[in-house]
Amino acid sequence: KAGVTQTPRYLIKTRGQQVTLSCSPISGHRSVSWYQQTPGQGLQFLFEYFSETQRNKGNFPGRFSGRQFSNSRSEMNVSTLELGDSALYLCASSLDGQGAYEQYFGPGTRLTVT
Amino acid sequence: KQEVTQIPAALSVPEGENLVLNCSFTDSAIYNLQWFRQDPGKGLTSLLLIQSSQREQTSGRLNASLDKSSGRSTLYIAASQPGDSATYLCAVGDTGFQKLVFGTGTRLLVSP
Repeated sequence: KAGVTQTPRYLIKTRGQQVTLSCSPISGHRSVSWYQQTPGQGLQFLFEYFSETQRNKGNFPGRFSGRQFSNSRSEMNVSTLELGDSALYLCASSLDGQGAYEQYFGPGTRLTVT
Repeated sequence: KQEVTQIPAALSVPEGENLVLNCSFTDSAIYNLQWFRQDPGKGLTSLLLIQSSQREQTSGRLNASLDKSSGRSTLYIAASQPGDSATYLCAVGDTGFQKLVFGTGTRLLVSP
């Protein structure tokens, strides 16, 4: 079974631009979560989607948004990029939206904002 | 607000040693606790998942325990190998909807 895939793997953007990251969960998984990892703040929860609905959201500004499609693939969008948005963005999938299931992470998208 | 702490922040051991990584959390009302490893520049690899009703889980040379009442978990690695060198993260399942709260990690170096 293929693991969680994320595209693109690396991205360089300029301040003020917007960016869209994509995540394909493990086949059969319906929950997709997004996390931001930076050296200063560590891993922080962005949001979680289950059956195309956002079920939970972390403490990030409205510039960070996401969506999930009917095939469970998910995208996250960051508008008006700031230098501080440079980070590794990780997506995770699990079987269910409830908290009982193991989460599996993708390799991440490394975003650099200049 | 749930806070997760990992001690030590870094650990260097010679190959073959048994070692223990510690994780503590402030709110005992958790759904589960998951241990991950992360190699430099890579994503997270799941090692063990302990449900809130369980006390421990084992996989190969790894054993993780959970004591909800005291807000602690330990990851025991037996007979460490250079390939075990990585950052180890513990994460607490904080709500019913897959939100994980991560610790800051323990960077492990196993020398041949």
